Amino acid sequence: ETGVTQSPTHLIKTRGQQVTLRCSSQSGHNTVSWYQQALGQGPQFIFQYYREEENGRGNFPPRFSGLQFPNYSSELNVNALELDDSALYLCASRVFGSYEQYFGPGTRLTVT
Amino acid sequence: KNQVEQSPQSLIILEGKNCTLQCNYTVSPFSNLRWYKQDTGRGPVSLTIMTFSENTKSNGRYTATLDADTKQSSLHITASQLSDSASYICVVSAVYGGNQFYFGTGTSLTVIP
Repeated sequence: ETGVTQSPTHLIKTRGQQVTLRCSSQSGHNTVSWYQQALGQGPQFIFQYYREEENGRGNFPPRFSGLQFPNYSSELNVNALELDDSALYLCASRVFGSYEQYFGPGTRLTVT
Repeated sequence: KNQVEQSPQSLIILEGKNCTLQCNYTVSPFSNLRWYKQDTGRGPVSLTIMTFSENTKSNGRYTATLDADTKQSSLHITASQLSDSASYICVVSAVYGGNQFYFGTGTSLTVIP
């Protein structure tokens, strides 16, 4: 166990709906990154949060947004869901500046 | 363009046999390279991490090598077990802020009895 938790474990949504995924970082970790992993692919970087602000973003549209809270936990919000958003969503936490990041178990999102 | 490529895409081996997975990268400036094991539907778990000056790193039956000159790495698994069946992902870090983690697409390993 890495100490990083995610909720929910699984989620089924309909196209056009909105979804919020949650991540609790490992104790002492102030940086959280979110990744999207399609079936059979490697994780794709969505964005990173540090000090409650977005600190780096991958090639994802604005309907993917996030938040980081004072306790370093984080949310990933996706609006106007599309079928291609179906994937495993991973969050990873670390201490800012460290290259050692720890992944949560992921949330499996299915969009129908 | 910063990229990480892995081969083979998938591999099936008999229990007890050895295997080697490959990772080539073009990430620059290079900071470190990490191999992760990812069970189906789970988050990746770190196996080894190597910096520029390290050529080899072992973790039990897993041994990773790094050639920073040719920008190649390999992960060797000895005496494979059924529990080794998973996806193995190579991740290269660059020396700058923001997104500095570059992921390969992984090698899917299946160990059969």
